[in-house]
Amino acid sequence: AQRVTQPEKLLSVFKGAPVELKCNYSYSGSPELFWYVQYSRQRLQLLLRHISRESIKGFTADLNKGETSFHLKKPFAQEEDSAMYYCALSGSQGGSEKLVFGKGTKLTVNP
Amino acid sequence: NAGVTQTPKFRILKIGQSMTLQCAQDMNHNYMYWYRQDPGMGLKLIYYSVGAGITDKGEVPNGYNVSRSTTEDFPLRLELAAPSQTSVYFCASKVTGINEQYFGPGTRLTVT
Repeated sequence: AQRVTQPEKLLSVFKGAPVELKCNYSYSGSPELFWYVQYSRQRLQLLLRHISRESIKGFTADLNKGETSFHLKKPFAQEEDSAMYYCALSGSQGGSEKLVFGKGTKLTVNP
Repeated sequence: NAGVTQTPKFRILKIGQSMTLQCAQDMNHNYMYWYRQDPGMGLKLIYYSVGAGITDKGEVPNGYNVSRSTTEDFPLRLELAAPSQTSVYFCASKVTGINEQYFGPGTRLTVT
């Protein structure tokens, strides 16, 4: 079964501090992993996908197949990073056109 | 492009009433999805469609119905509203082979 776990419901850091949002997954094949972000009163939007291996808004995420993790990191958090973050998985087997979402982590960056 | 649009933005229903949540996209995406978002629970897939005339159940389909008569539109129907259907509903779309989904702004539904 496909499952995405985000162990932290809430995460609070100060501006300029490093931030790491954790994501672990369960999938028997080769998954595609994503991070989506939802800023206050806005729609969900894609932040990162592991296959593109890019940095967006200073965020990076590396897929660790050994630890089945896809943690989102940023070295210096900004107040505008405050948002809801969702980790999502798409499988490579049947049903790969669907996403399974974690429960989300609400990040608050304090001034 | 307007992207994915949803109407209404907000709605309050009484128990037992019915309504249709509208979703439209102008990106010629063949895949469309309906999710509900409950506090602390993430997004749960209700129904999805791989193209006009084809729909399938997601994780939480009970109490909902969908249809897909055109590529652009994917309405979600609630026949007998229940308090458990109080949620924020998101529509999304994507193209085949690329797993990035584009989301609408959401509809906040309250059933009392």
